[in-house]
This record gives sequence, structure tokens and C-alpha cells, in this order.
Amino acid sequence: ELKVEQNPLFLSMQEGKNYTIYCNYSTTSDRLYWYRQDPGKSLESLFVLLSNGAVKQEGRLMASLDTKARLSTLHITAAVHDLSATYFCAVDMEYGNKLVFGAGTILRVKS
Amino acid sequence: KAGVTQTPRYLIKTRGQQVTLSCSPISGHRSVSWYQQTPGQGLQFLFEYFSETQRNKGNFPGRFSGRQFSNSRSEMNVSTLELGDSALYLCASSEGDTNQPQHFGDGTRLSIL
Repeated sequence: ELKVEQNPLFLSMQEGKNYTIYCNYSTTSDRLYWYRQDPGKSLESLFVLLSNGAVKQEGRLMASLDTKARLSTLHITAAVHDLSATYFCAVDMEYGNKLVFGAGTILRVKS
Repeated sequence: KAGVTQTPRYLIKTRGQQVTLSCSPISGHRSVSWYQQTPGQGLQFLFEYFSETQRNKGNFPGRFSGRQFSNSRSEMNVSTLELGDSALYLCASSEGDTNQPQHFGDGTRLSIL
């Protein structure tokens, strides 16, 4: 059974600081997704990582995938308050759209 | 392009009743997936429909069922509701290619009294 673990589960950071969220998964997969969820809102797609070594960047967020280590990272650079949200990683290992989500990381950026 | 639309947004039911939730995918998307989100269990996959056929199924009891129509709209039905079914039910659509991200609707908040 595929398991996806995120850490930390809660992250409080100061504006301007850098930090990394980690996503480990238990079985082989080369399809990993990062989503953002604001309170009371739905999930917004951030990144799709489809191969070993894939790196995607959007603004202050950068995601990478290491399929051999079964690890993805979401790096936050110079955090700003607007990045406060819950971030989920999800892995899709079967044919079809069947995502297994991590528990989510609640990010709070303090000014 | 309109996003994924879920109706109703909020629903209150009592134990033992049944409920039907609706999802209209993004135009052109043929895959519709359903997820349950609760504080305790997080986001869990219910099932996926593609071209009117169930393509994947999660580990939920048979009380949870779904279907997809020829226009790709999907419905989810839960029978004999239990208190533990209280959750946010999210629908997501994609073109069908598994390398594309799923786009989520705003969800239906179901409360069981």
C-alpha cells in the first residue's frame, strides 16, 4: 500500500526566511504533484513532477523530485505572508487519476 | 474556461438518509475523481470515472457509489449515512492523461446530524 509522508506538519516562519517541506513516499512512482489549499478553499495545483530529477519553479516556490530516494521537496525562498496556506504532496502510482495525499503541511508566515 | 462546479455547496442530513452530490468537470475533461477530506483522515480517494466507466476505486464501503454521464458530469451517492461521513467531498477533473494535474472544485460540505 502506498504511503505518503510529509514533514513538517506545521511550519511557522518569519517573512524573508527560507525553508523546505519534505515529501517521502513508500513505493516506486514517477508522478508527484504539489497542491496548495487556503482555509475554506479548494486545492490549487502548483507543480507536476513526472521524472527523476525534475525541478519546477514558480515565484518563491521550487519543487524537485528524486524517484530513487522516493523524495520530493518544496523549497520556499524568502517567504512572504501570502504563502500562508496548507501544502499537500500527492503521488499517483496506478493507471488513472488515483492520488494518495500526504497529511499536508500548514505553513504560517509571520511578518 | 469555467472551473469544476460542485453542487450543492453545503448539505445537512441525518443518520440513515442518503445523499447525492453533483460535479460538472471542466469542459473537455473526461476524467472525474472524488475525494473525501476530513480533519482526522485527511484527503482520501473515493473513485475515478473516465468515459462513463469506473477506472479506479478507493477503500470505501459499498455505501459510497458514483456514476458518470455521457457529458462527463458525475454524481456521487452515499446511502445509509453515518456520523463519520461528515466531511468535505471534493471532485476533481482532468483531461484523462494521467500526467496532467487534476483540477479541484470547491467541494460539498456534508454534515450528518
